[in-house]
Amino acid sequence: ETGVTQTPRHLVMGMTNKKSLKCEQHLGHNAMYWYKQSAKKPLELMFVYNFKEQTENNSVPSRFSPECPNSSHLFLHLHTLQPEDSALYLCASSHPGLEGGDEQFFGPGTRLTVL
Amino acid sequence: RKEVEQDPGPFNVPEGATVAFNCTYSNSASQSFFWYRQDCRKEPKLLMSVYSSGNEDGRFTAQLNRASQYISLLIRDSKLSDSATYLCVVKTSGYSTLTFGKGTMLLVSP
Repeated sequence: ETGVTQTPRHLVMGMTNKKSLKCEQHLGHNAMYWYKQSAKKPLELMFVYNFKEQTENNSVPSRFSPECPNSSHLFLHLHTLQPEDSALYLCASSHPGLEGGDEQFFGPGTRLTVL
Repeated sequence: RKEVEQDPGPFNVPEGATVAFNCTYSNSASQSFFWYRQDCRKEPKLLMSVYSSGNEDGRFTAQLNRASQYISLLIRDSKLSDSATYLCVVKTSGYSTLTFGKGTMLLVSP
């Protein structure tokens, strides 16, 4: 079974739509992350959750709203997005504190297009 | 100065060649270092961690120079399947935060 799953894999939405991205990890990790990957740019960390608590928010616009109901699930709620928000959104998980725990395991990503 | 800087490439090499990638990082307090590999339209995956003493995994050798804040990855006997983007990654601060470089693209041709 794939360690980190994301749905949907592709999403096209208008600027007035509301949608949600879902991430689930089956690795028993306690930290989960949202990243944005745009063309010609490095991965940008958006949010970090440790034990369901948000520990980092890298100045992400409020039109992106994360939710972490438990250590295995992470959501990214989207509303009134802009065309420049079109990108690959990657979820990752890790288990900090363990030996080798800094390694982050990524899901396959959701490719988002905002029209 | 960018936190993690890499030459974007692409590096075009023939099969069997040896190729080296470099990466510099700006924060001298950085703690851990990694190379990730990302195939086209796929997610990044850990290739190897980088240790102070240098480390080798088969055809791949990673080196760290803390004084110069420099990391390298050497690939020997390149295979077609090595074609990918190689991401230099640094753990700088915070509980578990990683900072990614833009990546270096490698294209291995027959």
